[in-house]
Amino acid sequence: EPEVTQTPSHQVTQMGQEVILRCVPISNHLYFYWYRQILGQKVEFLVSFYNNEISEKSEIFDDQFSVERPDGSNFTLKIRSTKLEDSAMYFCASMRDSYGYTFGSGTRLTVV
Amino acid sequence: QKEVEQDPGPLSVPEGAIVSLNCTYSNSAFQYFMWYRQYSRKGPELLMYTYSSGNKEDGRFTAQVDKSSKYISLFIRDSQPSDSATYLCAMSSGTSGTYKYIFGTGTRLKVLA
Repeated sequence: EPEVTQTPSHQVTQMGQEVILRCVPISNHLYFYWYRQILGQKVEFLVSFYNNEISEKSEIFDDQFSVERPDGSNFTLKIRSTKLEDSAMYFCASMRDSYGYTFGSGTRLTVV
Repeated sequence: QKEVEQDPGPLSVPEGAIVSLNCTYSNSAFQYFMWYRQYSRKGPELLMYTYSSGNKEDGRFTAQVDKSSKYISLFIRDSQPSDSATYLCAMSSGTSGTYKYIFGTGTRLKVLA
């Protein structure tokens, strides 16, 4: 069964450093997403990406965040200057049509 | 009022029991209703998808949507210890073509052998 692949599985970074979280969505999918889940809290929407542009972003997705789909297969989330409160599980998801997302297994980001 | 409300549990049941999980919501624009299963420190896995009102069955799982009451349910028949996980409801209005999901907080389920 096709999978969404995320790397790395765990990233530790110093506060103020830039991180790039990487995702390979399912190849024939058209909609791409990033969500995050702070430990013990609910899964929260960050950004959606369709037709090579951001289609919607949340209040969390401020100027420190950016997304790219550089080569038609990868989908990246960049956090420019990490803060302690950015520590969370970050999930990439993709979807072909409206019939439910497929999530990756996540990247656990720890900011120290 | 929260947009999506879900009892966090934990819910403990004996093996073989019928489990009922529920969510309520406030946004009448929601049309797409999903149930995900999440194991600890893993990504959510899609279990059931329903568009608009009605029932949907898949094996031991049945999803129900009652839009008039703004209430959705997931039933698990003949529950197994392997069903022990957190169950997340998610909803979307599907407008603007983004299909952004709003998740409930999740219900932790433990099925005892």
